Amino acid sequence: GEDVEQSLFLSVREGDSSVINCTYTDSSSTYLYWYKQEPGAGLQLLTYIFSNMDMKQDQRLTVLLNKKDKHLSLRIADTQTGDSAIYFCAEGVTDKLIFGTGTRLQVFP
Amino acid sequence: DGGITQSPKYLFRKEGQNVTLSCEQNLNHDAMYWYRQDPGQGLRLIYYSQIVNDFQKGDIAEGYSVSREKKESFPLTVTSAQKNPTAFYLCASSIMGWRRDNYGYTFGSGTRLTVV
Repeated sequence: GEDVEQSLFLSVREGDSSVINCTYTDSSSTYLYWYKQEPGAGLQLLTYIFSNMDMKQDQRLTVLLNKKDKHLSLRIADTQTGDSAIYFCAEGVTDKLIFGTGTRLQVFP
Repeated sequence: DGGITQSPKYLFRKEGQNVTLSCEQNLNHDAMYWYRQDPGQGLRLIYYSQIVNDFQKGDIAEGYSVSREKKESFPLTVTSAQKNPTAFYLCASSIMGWRRDNYGYTFGSGTRLTVV
């Protein structure tokens, strides 16, 4: 069945890079997405990658896609305290998106 | 500005009562979705609708009901049959044919429902 998995927690020091990983199951996914959720708020689209791409860079964000292994990652360069949030990956499956469990990123000084 | 609005932000319900959560969008999006979020469980799809007067059950529809009488509105009713309704509820909308574009979903700011 459809499943998207992420590790639950990641803790990094301010200024370091963060890498959040995600595995998905549906090889027909056309787009894959990364969303950010701050406490008590809805989800905000951070970035996306089309399935025929291997990498996409958007300022401090780098998305890597390994279609063979169905693995998606989000790298945040120079992580700041404002990046502390829950990050969700999502894959498109037929007529809806399937979300992962979310990774809580904690940034400490 | 276009967006998606959920109300109220906080809602308290007594056991045995039905409550309705509001979701309104002015993005002219065709599809709308309701998710439930519990700590450590990510987002679980309750119901979704791709067109007015039509909707489909998601993974956890039991104890919930929806209607889609207008394109802009997709209210969710949490009925007394829902055994554990305390959660954070998120509404989202999207352009139909998302596989041909890169917009994904637009989310509301959520409603936190607590049963007292």
